[in-house]
Amino acid sequence: KNEVEQSPQNLTAQEGEFITINCSYSVGISALHWLQQHPGGGIVSLFMLSSGKKKHGRLIATINIQEKHSSLHITASHPRDSAVYICAVRSNTDKLIFGTGTRLQVFP
Amino acid sequence: DTGVSQDPRHKITKRGQNVTFRCDPISEHNRLYWYRQTLGQGPEFLTYFQNEAQLEKSRLLSDRFSAERPKGSFSTLEIQRTEQGDSAMYLCASSPPGHSNQPQHFGDGTRLSIL
Repeated sequence: KNEVEQSPQNLTAQEGEFITINCSYSVGISALHWLQQHPGGGIVSLFMLSSGKKKHGRLIATINIQEKHSSLHITASHPRDSAVYICAVRSNTDKLIFGTGTRLQVFP
Repeated sequence: DTGVSQDPRHKITKRGQNVTFRCDPISEHNRLYWYRQTLGQGPEFLTYFQNEAQLEKSRLLSDRFSAERPKGSFSTLEIQRTEQGDSAMYLCASSPPGHSNQPQHFGDGTRLSIL
């Protein structure tokens, strides 16, 4: 069993739909990251959180430390949101442990 | 802030050859990380530096792999006697002091293809 599990692995949506991607982890962490990776490889950090909830534009990230679970929500999805979304936890030694990613495709 | 820079972006080489990648972190970022990502998978940790000191190495980093950060600025990752299984995207990231509450900033990666 991977230390960081994401679901779903693949997700398709129509433009405008509300999207949720889930992440569960089994190790002790100092923080959890949500990352976005576009074709070609570049990774952009969307959120880093250790408790509660953060919002940036149409993106919302939540974390429940007791349940070791986080969710990334995208409201009013758009085709430009199509990318791979990766959950990563920051271990107590500061390295990141990554999930396998969720491939999102949003169709017009 | 020019971002994390990696060179080259792509490398194609024959099995058995040696390759070296370079990463230039964001200036004044004292921590530098190397990750490897194979197709369809999330990145995996390889090693990281705080300034010039290599603080942790993954068991994934076989003796054919070596990483250096001699002056605490740029870093190089060398793979000797490359094998087919080394084909992957090699990602570099850096973070500033006060790292526990700072995100890591990623480069665009070096994609290695072994023929």
